[in-house]
Amino acid sequence: DAKTTQPPSMDCAEGRAANLPCNHSTISGNEYVYWYRQIHSQGPQYIIHGLKNNETNEMASLIITEDRKSSTLILPHATLRDTAVYYCIVRGYETSGSRLTFGEGTQLTVNP
Amino acid sequence: KAGVTQTPRYLIKTRGQQVTLSCSPISGHRSVSWYQQTPGQGLQFLFEYFSETQRNKGNFPGRFSGRQFSNSRSEMNVSTLELGDSALYLCASSTGGQGWYEQYFGPGTRLTVT
Repeated sequence: DAKTTQPPSMDCAEGRAANLPCNHSTISGNEYVYWYRQIHSQGPQYIIHGLKNNETNEMASLIITEDRKSSTLILPHATLRDTAVYYCIVRGYETSGSRLTFGEGTQLTVNP
Repeated sequence: KAGVTQTPRYLIKTRGQQVTLSCSPISGHRSVSWYQQTPGQGLQFLFEYFSETQRNKGNFPGRFSGRQFSNSRSEMNVSTLELGDSALYLCASSTGGQGWYEQYFGPGTRLTVT
């Protein structure tokens, strides 16, 4: 699985968009980008994933650059409950196995 | 639908003892993965079970073992506990099969080794 690089921490004002970057310059053609988050003392929660097209769901949007070397997770209207550690994970679409390799993630703090 | 449950939620053990943690996946899920989370090492993959067979294993010593039952419930065992085994142990379940499926994590078991 390709290595990812994320800023260790970010701040965002409540109600504003939170844009969390992730660098994955060594990503290969069959690897997807996944985002999870972990609210303090809870298990990680899946947010979204994508291959090369932008993706959107009820939680967030994922923007992947054309060269796929980086991506941005966007929380359109951040709330205090979005304060969490956000993990960007690159993983191949393997034939079997659910293994996830977590990096250090970005601690997002949403301020009132 | 009930989520992933883990028991116990908190546990205190002494060095040299062994411990067994339990994970009940979401109904219908056949894959259970285990992770260890510590402040120093972050979230690390331990192993995955699918249909009662271990199909993926992380880089942990043999003191860490697991199994899965026919109802997909899983247990992990740590023998000869060390202080460094103090951690939050998380399990995650998914439908499994080929490709990737969304994993649902439980709340974790907080193990403290004294």
